[in-house]
Formats: sequence, C-alpha cells, structure tokens
Amino acid sequence: EIVLTQSPGTLSLSPGERATLSCRASQTVSSSYLAWYQQKPGQAPRLLIYGASTRASGIPDRFSGSGSGTDFTLTISRLEPEDFAVYYCQHGTFGQGTKVEI
Amino acid sequence: QMQLQESGPGLVKPSETLSLTCTVSGGSISSNSYYWGWIRQPPGKRLEWIASIFHRGSTYYNPSLKNRVTISEDTSKNQFSLKVFSVTAADTAVYYCVRRPLILHGGAFDIWGQGTRVTVSS
Repeated sequence: EIVLTQSPGTLSLSPGERATLSCRASQTVSSSYLAWYQQKPGQAPRLLIYGASTRASGIPDRFSGSGSGTDFTLTISRLEPEDFAVYYCQHGTFGQGTKVEI
Repeated sequence: QMQLQESGPGLVKPSETLSLTCTVSGGSISSNSYYWGWIRQPPGKRLEWIASIFHRGSTYYNPSLKNRVTISEDTSKNQFSLKVFSVTAADTAVYYCVRRPLILHGGAFDIWGQGTRVTVSS
C-alpha cells in the first residue's frame, strides 16, 4: 500500500504570504492520479487539484500543483483569509493533512 | 449541479450494523461515467476510502474493511448505500458519499456529500 506523508503538519502564515505544502509518496506514483483537497472546519473536502497540476473547476489561480515520482507540492501564491484550512493529498489513499493557520 | 446527501443513524451500538444511504440529485447513478463511493474520517485521523460501486454492480472495497462492508445501489431511487457490519468504536467517524469520474479529473473524488457523523457507543 502506498503511504502519503505530508509536511509540515502545521504551517503558520499570514494573509498575503506564500504557502508551500509537501506530499511524499512511499513509492513512485503516477502524477495523473495525484489530487489535492481543501477542508474547512465542519465541511466536506473540496477538490482543488487533480492530475498533480490541473486546477478543478472554479479554483482560483493562486493555487498550483507540481511534482512527479514521489514528491508533490501544493503552492498557494498569496494566502487569502478563506485559504486557512487543512489540505490533503491523495493517490488512492490520503495523506494525513497539513493545516494552514494564521 | 449534481448533489449528494447522506442519511442514516447518528448512533449505533457496538456489534450492530451501520446502514447509510446516499441520495443523488441532479444526475443519474446509472451513468457509465462515474463511480459512487464512501469515504470516512475518524476523529483526528486521515480520510479513508471505504468502497465504490460502478453501475450494474461492479464493487470495489478497501482490503482492510472488505470483510465487514457492503456497498449497493438502488437505481429506482437514485441512491447507493453502505453497510458496515459488527461495528466497534473504531468505526466512529464522519462518513461522506462521493462521486469519482471514470475518466475526468484524473479519477479524483470531485463531488462530496456534506457528511454524516456516526458514533458507535452503547
């Protein structure tokens, strides 16, 4: 089973700053099936990125994904107040999440 | 706009069977373009895929849960369901029903229900 490990566990930033979230797979995975989700308290996860780098419908362009092989990155170029949430990567299984907090 | 809505009991006793239903609106579960499935999130833990179903009954299960769960569909009601047998406290979680496109979106889970919280306790 592929294990996804996200880092850091918590990222403390301010609005306007850049956020860089990492997702590392225990073995090489296909980037075609690597996705990122955002979850706010009390809400269901929302698909942000699929295919490692393609934004889902309606997702602002400040969100971008990159990577291949075992290492993937979600970047939020300029944090907006509504971006403070937990982010999960997924390839079959899910990572444990990175919390982006103020 | 397609929407998914979970329903089921919020409290289940240990050793009993948990039954959840997902009602789909704005589209048909008979479509050949999507898998329908369940994901859960235990308190403080990561999301866990449980099972998926494709139209005409093809089913797929998480190996860690395969012996205790069943997923099924009712096309007449445009619903699909999950049963978890012999529940324990470890099955306490928020349960989400989800849509996964066969081809689009890299097979990611692109539509989620709002989730239903299930507690296993006597």
